[in-house]
Amino acid sequence: DAKTTQPPSMDCAEGRAANLPCNHSTISGNEYVYWYRQIHSQGPQYIIHGLKNNETNEMASLIITEDRKSSTLILPHATLRDTAVYYCIVSGEGTGNQFYFGTGTSLTVIP
Amino acid sequence: KAGVTQTPRYLIKTRGQQVTLSCSPISGHRSVSWYQQTPGQGLQFLFEYFSETQRNKGNFPGRFSGRQFSNSRSEMNVSTLELGDSALYLCASSLAGPEIATGELFFGEGSRLTVL
Repeated sequence: DAKTTQPPSMDCAEGRAANLPCNHSTISGNEYVYWYRQIHSQGPQYIIHGLKNNETNEMASLIITEDRKSSTLILPHATLRDTAVYYCIVSGEGTGNQFYFGTGTSLTVIP
Repeated sequence: KAGVTQTPRYLIKTRGQQVTLSCSPISGHRSVSWYQQTPGQGLQFLFEYFSETQRNKGNFPGRFSGRQFSNSRSEMNVSTLELGDSALYLCASSLAGPEIATGELFFGEGSRLTVL
């Protein structure tokens, strides 16, 4: 069942920041927000995850609102290789690795 | 270190046949999950194994089954193949277990099954 809502597609100019929004208004207290991406014909790739605090790693930043009902994945300097489908997933402890991927956002980075 | 390895990468079967797909997880990973990806339904969870036990199962018919061996390698089997089973089957491994929160999944490149 869908727990997240994402725009179906977005464009971003190369070198600019890509901000991908995700709505998860029914998230519960012990559920994490995960982001994955899938480049055409490859397996999905983990990007980042968080519970309530903002997170940053070498790939991206994750900003979670204080009420945790939405989040934004930020790719600080988008490159052509970032063109992919980005999935926002909500999943909690005890559910193992049963992820519902949804339809994601197709991000196109434009030269 | 080596990633998740899936074999075969491509295969063609006919309706009514059965197929077995194999997945070797990253060394040290005890959780293996399987997903089916089709253009119409997207990525759908099939099942997850941890320490040779099925921990979760998605909403697929009993024709879809799997198992995990003591070395964490996993196989999935689809019997009595139907045209609609044509898909990319993805395997993912993870360090996560019952005592650890769900974690990062490492996906293989998938096995692309075509049913004629």
